[in-house]
Amino acid sequence: GEDVEQSLFLSVREGDSSVINCTYTDSSSTYLYWYKQEPGAGLQLLTYIFSNMDMKQDQRLTVLLNKKDKHLSLRIADTQTGDSAIYFCAETLRDGQNFVFGPGTRLSVLP
Amino acid sequence: NAGVTQTPKFQVLKTGQSMTLQCAQDMNHNSMYWYRQDPGMGLRLIYYSASEGTTDKGEVPNGYNVSRLNKREFSLRLESAAPSQTSVYFCASSEVETQYFGPGTRLLVL
Repeated sequence: GEDVEQSLFLSVREGDSSVINCTYTDSSSTYLYWYKQEPGAGLQLLTYIFSNMDMKQDQRLTVLLNKKDKHLSLRIADTQTGDSAIYFCAETLRDGQNFVFGPGTRLSVLP
Repeated sequence: NAGVTQTPKFQVLKTGQSMTLQCAQDMNHNSMYWYRQDPGMGLRLIYYSASEGTTDKGEVPNGYNVSRLNKREFSLRLESAAPSQTSVYFCASSEVETQYFGPGTRLLVL
């Protein structure tokens, strides 16, 4: 079945770059997403990439997509303490209605 | 424009009690979803509704029922709550390529 995998934890120092990785299984996914969840809050869409793109940049965020390896990454440049949160990778299935989420990566930013 | 709203924010139930979680969106989206979030497991889809009048089971529908009352509202009902249903419940609505989430309902079943 469809599955999205992520490592559960990542720690970085303030000012360094963070790279959060994700692998997915549905090769027909149309869109792939990164969501951010702060403590006690819902999920906030950070960015998404269409499956025919390799890269998307939005200010401090860079998304890289390797379709051959079904690998998605999110790079956060100049990581700040406010970036501490759980980051979820997600894909849409071929029906376009269902979203499958990874378990989330908890990013801790150390001073 | 409030986006997706959910009520209540918190609820404590005893085993066997029933309750309905409410969700509403003001973005005129056709699709709406109910997820549960448990530690280390990400979000799991309980039910979704592709349009008003239709509902479909997701990954973990057992113990739940839903109603798509109209285009705006999508409710989730627990008929007989069990401790295994202790979780955080999120409602979402979507356009073609993006989902928007509500703030969540934290449910504790004793």
